Amino acid sequence: KNQVEQSPQSLIILEGKNCTLQCNYTVSPFSNLRWYKQDTGRGPVSLTIMTFSENTKSNGRYTATLDADTKQSSLHITASQLSDSASYICVVTRGGNNRLAFGKGNQVVVIP
Amino acid sequence: EPEVTQTPSHQVTQMGQEVILRCVPISNHLYFYWYRQILGQKVEFLVSFYNNEISEKSEIFDDQFSVERPDGSNFTLKIRSTKLEDSAMYFCASSVSGNSNQPQHFGDGTRLSIL
Repeated sequence: KNQVEQSPQSLIILEGKNCTLQCNYTVSPFSNLRWYKQDTGRGPVSLTIMTFSENTKSNGRYTATLDADTKQSSLHITASQLSDSASYICVVTRGGNNRLAFGKGNQVVVIP
Repeated sequence: EPEVTQTPSHQVTQMGQEVILRCVPISNHLYFYWYRQILGQKVEFLVSFYNNEISEKSEIFDDQFSVERPDGSNFTLKIRSTKLEDSAMYFCASSVSGNSNQPQHFGDGTRLSIL
């Protein structure tokens, strides 16, 4: 089935530290994978997008990786800031119908 | 930067009543979407809309739901005879094209509470 699973469900990190969020998917056929950031009470905002041939993409302090063979992706946050506190959602686009499959999100809380 | 705007931000309605959720997509975008997110659950696709007609809908989008673009700017989701399980966050999104590499831009959502 076309599923997207994320781990950990939530984590708390100290300001300035790094963290890595994981995404595993079974969506097929695969078109692309996006990471979205969703602040509390706001809509999701796209951070990165990767197609089958790309295995890493950066957007400032956010770096996403993709292993299309193992169907895994990660999002690495470097030198976290308080404003990084949010839910990070892995979204996989299914080829053909372009339907988006959402993960449940990684809830990140950055504390001073 | 242009944004997708949704109104109202919060809607409280009695079960059985009809609700209309409103969205103003980004002006040069041609593809429009509705999603919902039940509290604690994943975001779920409801419907996509292009050229004044539904291009795709999910199994959730039954006869209770309808979408409309009544003028050149608004995109609405109507829910007839609301049920308790319709309580959720409803997100509108738009994209400049149907190309999967074009990002969908999301509004901040309408929180719908059915009593």
